[in-house]
Amino acid sequence: NAGVTQTPKFRVLKTGQSMTLLCAQDMNHEYMYWYRQDPGMGLRLIHYSVGEGTTAKGEVPDGYNVSRLKKQNFLLGLESAAPSQTSVYFCASSYASGSFDTQYFGPGTRLTVL
Amino acid sequence: GENVEQHPSTLSVQEGDSAVIKCTYSDSASNYFPWYKQELGKGPQLIIDIRSNVGEKKDQRIAVTLNKTAKHFSLHITETQPEDSAVYFCAASRRNDYKLSFGAGTTVTVRA
Repeated sequence: NAGVTQTPKFRVLKTGQSMTLLCAQDMNHEYMYWYRQDPGMGLRLIHYSVGEGTTAKGEVPDGYNVSRLKKQNFLLGLESAAPSQTSVYFCASSYASGSFDTQYFGPGTRLTVL
Repeated sequence: GENVEQHPSTLSVQEGDSAVIKCTYSDSASNYFPWYKQELGKGPQLIIDIRSNVGEKKDQRIAVTLNKTAKHFSLHITETQPEDSAVYFCAASRRNDYKLSFGAGTTVTVRA
């Protein structure tokens, strides 16, 4: 049981390049989330999904897109990377809603945009 | 939306002493308050949570208290050990809300 896994672990992009971050969970969780973590700002929700085929915007969605084609996978895309998107990205999943159900986090992806 | 403030941002304690981290929230409808611990290079991990129908919860050396009237909750770590050194995040959520609102985090250092 691997829990929540994220690929890649590290990535360096140039401004304007695109990339996709992959999150996978093997716990049969319905809900999945993408956060970014910046110094002094805690974790901020980018997008989330309440089930296969659904996505919704979080607190800081601009510049990102997501897809949930399979229940176990949640992809985060950057179409045209900007230096402001330099951050550590975490994926999380939970069995039911964020309320009263533990969110399990992946190990993170450290992204640098030059 | 919910706004969660967390203090202090850094905390250094002597091994064996207690550590206290405090959080305040703005949305009176919030009723779920988890605490996460993040070790270096890893993702956050839930260590304890409290729901609005209780005022205190304890798990070995860790306890959380909640004051709904004042809209604040606190994490207490007693008999701190070097392995307690980490970043701690508080969060708040409302029933049937899919989202957690996190505080900015507290970096705890336990000095041997």
